[in-house]
Amino acid sequence: DAGVIQSPRHEVTEMGQEVTLRCKPISGHDYLFWYRQTMMQGLELLVYFNNKAVMDDSGMPKDRFSAKMPNASFSTLKIQPSEPRDSAVYFCASSTFDRGNQPQHFGDGTRLSIL
Amino acid sequence: AQTVTQSQPEMSVQEAETVTLSCTYDTSESDYYLFWYKQPPSRQMILVIRQEAYKQQNATENRFSVNFQKAAKSFSLKISDSQLGDAAMYFCAWWVIQGAQKLVFGQGTRLTINP
Repeated sequence: DAGVIQSPRHEVTEMGQEVTLRCKPISGHDYLFWYRQTMMQGLELLVYFNNKAVMDDSGMPKDRFSAKMPNASFSTLKIQPSEPRDSAVYFCASSTFDRGNQPQHFGDGTRLSIL
Repeated sequence: AQTVTQSQPEMSVQEAETVTLSCTYDTSESDYYLFWYKQPPSRQMILVIRQEAYKQQNATENRFSVNFQKAAKSFSLKISDSQLGDAAMYFCAWWVIQGAQKLVFGQGTRLTINP
């Protein structure tokens, strides 16, 4: 079975530009998570979905970040306008609530550099 | 708030020897999971081992084992017969069974294996 697929793997763009990160979760997983990893803050949860609905977005800067899950097999994380402090590795992860089948499965991440 | 603390930013060990990575957590929940994830330079997040809080027996996976002390809220990872491929960042993470379906990560420990 294919794992969590993220694209692009790397993104370099200039400050002020719109950035869209994409994620395809594992088929059958009804939870999807977006994390951001930086040296200073470590791994932070930005937002997560259950059955396509946002369950918790308290970790996401609302003024410039938006996350969507239009269907069960696709999610996007958009940053507009981007800023240098958004430079980080962004991970998508998916899971299903099965007590014996945790934990979350991670994608390979997108390394985002904002110049 | 639930927190996970890894007090050792860096550790090193000679190849073939044993090393123990520390993790403590703070929660009032009684039903939860604990995990160790490995992140090699390729930046993949790879599950190493997991422990269910209600199980008293410590989890083991080949050369990896944990020392789970629930009362002390301690969850250390022991790597036996260290191999060069074990070099990575190691993250301790906590997940509660009920409620918000999100992992809380520690800051990580960078493990170096000396040949």
